[in-house]
Formats: sequence, structure tokens, C-alpha cells
Amino acid sequence: DTGVSQDPRHKITKRGQNVTFRCDPISEHNRLYWYRQTLGQGPEFLTYFQNEAQLEKSRLLSDRFSAERPKGSFSTLEIQRTEQGDSAMYLCASSLDGELTDTQYFGPGTRLTVL
Amino acid sequence: AQRVTQPEKLLSVFKGAPVELKCNYSYSGSPELFWYVQYSRQRLQLLLRHISRESIKGFTADLNKGETSFHLKKPFAQEEDSAMYYCALSPGTGLGGATNKLIFGTGTLLAVQP
Repeated sequence: DTGVSQDPRHKITKRGQNVTFRCDPISEHNRLYWYRQTLGQGPEFLTYFQNEAQLEKSRLLSDRFSAERPKGSFSTLEIQRTEQGDSAMYLCASSLDGELTDTQYFGPGTRLTVL
Repeated sequence: AQRVTQPEKLLSVFKGAPVELKCNYSYSGSPELFWYVQYSRQRLQLLLRHISRESIKGFTADLNKGETSFHLKKPFAQEEDSAMYYCALSPGTGLGGATNKLIFGTGTLLAVQP
């Protein structure tokens, strides 16, 4: 296992198109997080899964965004009707339950550019 | 409001000089504090966390609840320390499904000159 992987690494799309990103966490990690990072900012929390249950969503996650984690393994983040403001790096992280505050391991990110 | 502030966007030092990257936080409870580092063309990775009270790559950070600070320090900077450093706060305990989401600062770019 080489760590958290994300696909694609880069995505260029036109405004109004739908895009979907995939995250494969470290195997046996039951927690999965999505963050978004724009230029000059730190990562911002979007949503969190414990196994297959989505337990928290940020107000940043508008109704155009949807995330799933079927079977509690990989996760997908879909953005519908993309806008230029959606251009950002989308980061996925995973962690293992069992520690009081677990360590999150990050993927390389998917860079989205909306033209 | 939960917030992490890193006042310096860029910190430039010479090799061998001491380093202090500042981090202040705003949170009403008892958060856990972290420092994450991102080297050029690499992914974000954990450097250290206050609960562990350990030194990693010569870096240390002490949580000062009175000043709500968690500054990162190293006595002698090395060129390989050049990277982006993010301070982060976790408000959750992880118990009962509570999230351990991280709240990040805007980051400080550390540039160590030869």
C-alpha cells in the first residue's frame, strides 16, 4: 500500500460541466475526509465519512457537490454544473479509528481548473 | 469561532540560524494542535502533534494555552527544511463518530538560504 491515492491528478473542464474525482484511502482506514485548497490558503474541510456514513458536511459544500463512499472503501466527490470558483486543489485524507485524535494521511490531490 | 492564524506568509533564514514559525489559534475548548509540512512536489504530511510532545527532524512545538499559541521552533535550520508549513487545529475527540476535521492556517513558506 503506497498511501492515499487520488484520480485524476489534474482535471480541466468547461464551466457548466460535471466532474467526478476518486479517492482510494489507505486500506483498513475507516475514516475519510475531503478538503479543498485554493491558492494562498490552507486546506478547508468539506466532508467526512466514517465507513460508508457521511457524518459531517461543511457549509462550503453547496448542493452542487455530492460525495459518496459506497461500501466504506473508496470515495467519490462529484461537482455538478462547475463554476470558475470551483477551481482548486481537492485533497483527500484517510485515518484509522482507534486513537483519540487520529492522524490523517493525505493524498496528492486533484487539481481542478474550470475555464 | 474556530480559527488558526499564521501571520507570516514567508520566512527566510540562513542555514544554521534559529527558526520560529508562529501559530495562534482561536477555540473555546481544548483542541489538539498539529503542524503539517509540504515539501516541494510532495503531499501534505504530518510533522508533529502537541499531544505527542516529541521532536521531529529537530522541530519542537509547545502548546501555550494562555497565549493560545503553538509556535514551531528549530534551533538550527537546514536547507532541506525549506517547505510550506501549516498549523492545524482539530476540535473533535473522535468519540461517538465525532469528526476530527482539521482547521488549517494559511501556511508559512520557510526558505532556508545556504
